[in-house]
Amino acid sequence: NAGVTQTPKFQVLKTGQSMTLQCAQDMNHNSMYWYRQDPGMGLRLIYYSASEGTTDKGEVPNGYNVSRLNKREFSLRLESAAPSQTSVYFCATTRQRLPLLSNQPQHFGDGTRLSIL
Amino acid sequence: AQTVTQSQPEMSVQEAETVTLSCTYDTSESNYYLFWYKQPPSRQMILVIRQEAYKQQNATENRFSVNFQKAAKSFSLKISDSQLGDTAMYFCALGTSGSRLTFGEGTQLTVNP
Repeated sequence: NAGVTQTPKFQVLKTGQSMTLQCAQDMNHNSMYWYRQDPGMGLRLIYYSASEGTTDKGEVPNGYNVSRLNKREFSLRLESAAPSQTSVYFCATTRQRLPLLSNQPQHFGDGTRLSIL
Repeated sequence: AQTVTQSQPEMSVQEAETVTLSCTYDTSESNYYLFWYKQPPSRQMILVIRQEAYKQQNATENRFSVNFQKAAKSFSLKISDSQLGDTAMYFCALGTSGSRLTFGEGTQLTVNP
């Protein structure tokens, strides 16, 4: 089935450990996004990639890095996990190409629940 | 900077009745889009409805409709004939240049039998 696949679905880390969250899409979409969802705060954009080979910071990029490996894959890395990064992480995609304007909906993965002790 | 505010953290409605969820936003851009997303307990984010800011006509999708008041920067969602499956967290989102979305805090809607 076409869609956005995130792995893993759940993960528990210790403070200071590193971790990469994977996102893959088979919809041939150009733009990909990483969000975090915290209680009472909605979704906040961490990083996004408008197209293959480009990445840009979102609202809350500190403590994260991303890689747009190819058109299909967009990974999010925590180099040294902190308890404040405990959250649910969502990957999303849109077909949008330049010029960018959000007239198209974003398609979301099922999320990764990450707990950092 | 863009902001989206949902002032109702929780709402409830009886099955088959109508409910309206509120959303206000702020942006300095003249061209933008507004969305309502639904997140059921399964945690999926599902697009419910979208509205182009340049269109005066309110968007409608089956039982879901919006009341878009551009001057007031208000974008409310009306759900008619509420069903148990409508129970979910609802997020209002603003899309501006750069294809980025700014989300509100969410409203937890419970439909009671």
